[in-house]
Parts: sequence; structure tokens; C-alpha cells
Amino acid sequence: KAGVTQTPRYLIKTRGQQVTLSCSPISGHRSVSWYQQTPGQGLQFLFEYFSETQRNKGNFPGRFSGRQFSNSRSEMNVSTLELGDSALYLCASSLGGGLNNEQFFGPGTRLTVL
Amino acid sequence: AQTVTQSQPEMSVQEAETVTLSCTYDTSESDYYLFWYKQPPSRQMILVIRQEAYKQQNATENRFSVNFQKAAKSFSLKISDSQLGDAAMYFCAYRSAGIGNQFYFGTGTSLTVIP
Repeated sequence: KAGVTQTPRYLIKTRGQQVTLSCSPISGHRSVSWYQQTPGQGLQFLFEYFSETQRNKGNFPGRFSGRQFSNSRSEMNVSTLELGDSALYLCASSLGGGLNNEQFFGPGTRLTVL
Repeated sequence: AQTVTQSQPEMSVQEAETVTLSCTYDTSESDYYLFWYKQPPSRQMILVIRQEAYKQQNATENRFSVNFQKAAKSFSLKISDSQLGDAAMYFCAYRSAGIGNQFYFGTGTSLTVIP
């Protein structure tokens, strides 16, 4: 079974631009979560989508948004990029329906904002 | 909100020796799950071990075991017979047993294995 894939793997943008990151979960997984990873901060939860609905949201500004499609693929968008948005963005998928939810992580997208 | 604290930013261990990574968490919930994830230099995060809070027995996966102290809100990871491939960043994580899939992660412990 193919793992979680994320595209692109690397991205360089300038301040003020916007960016869209993509995540394809493991086949059959309905939950997709997004995390921002920075040195010293660890992983910060952005949001979780389940069956095309945002089920949980972390403490990030409205510039960060996401969506999930009917095939469970998810996109994350960041508008008006700031230097502090430079980070590794990780996507994780899980079956999502029950309590025994193991999350499987993708390789991440490394975003650099100049 | 739940918080997860890993007080050891870096640890090192001799190959074949045992090392313990610490994790504490803060929650008012009684039912939850705790995890240890490993992130090797290649960056793909993988699950090492999982503990359900309602289970008193400590989880074990081969050379990896945990010491779960619910009253103390402590969840340490013990790695026995350390191998070079164990070198990685280790993250402790908490997840509520309720609806939703929000994980709370610690800031990580970087483990170096010395040959």
C-alpha cells in the first residue's frame, strides 16, 4: 500500500505570496491532519479534515486554511506569507473513524519564505 | 489545552546500552492515548509505541518499552540494546480519546547513538 505523499517536497516563496500544499493520504484513510514543524517548537497542529469537513483546528491565524476533497486528498493554503511561516509542513493520515487512530506521516513539504 | 513536555532536548547513548527519554503531559481528561514517534534524519515520522491511558500495563514493542505513570502524568520511553539506527528525533504525543484526531506533540528529544 502506498504511503502518504506530499507535493511539492520543497518550495521557495517570497513574503506576501500565497502557497498551496497537497497531501494524498493512504488509500482508505479518511482523516488528514496538518502540522507545522519548526526547530524548537516541535509539531504544531494546524487542522484535521475528516470526510471533507474540518473536524479540529489549531491555534493558527486565518491565513492558514485547508480543504479536503471527496477522494480524501487534502490541500493546505497559506496566504500573505510571512518569514515566520518558513517550516516543514507535515501531513498525516489515519482511518479516522474510531479510537485506535494511528497516524501515518508523509515526508513533508519544506517551505522557505524569503 | 493539553500540553506535552520533553525536558531533554538532546540525549546520547552508547551502542548496546539502554537509554530513557522523558515525557510529561498535562490534561484534565481521564481517557486518552499517548504515543512515541521517531523522526530519522530522512524526516519520515514513524510510530514507535502507543499506550492507552485506561490500560495499566506498560506497552512494549521489541526493544522499546514505556513507563506510564498516569497519576504523575509521566510517559517515558526506554530503548534497550540501542542500535545505530535508533538515532533520530523522538517526539512524545498525546491524543484525546474523544471525537477528532488532534495530537499534541512535545518539542522532541534528539538521540545520538555512539558506536
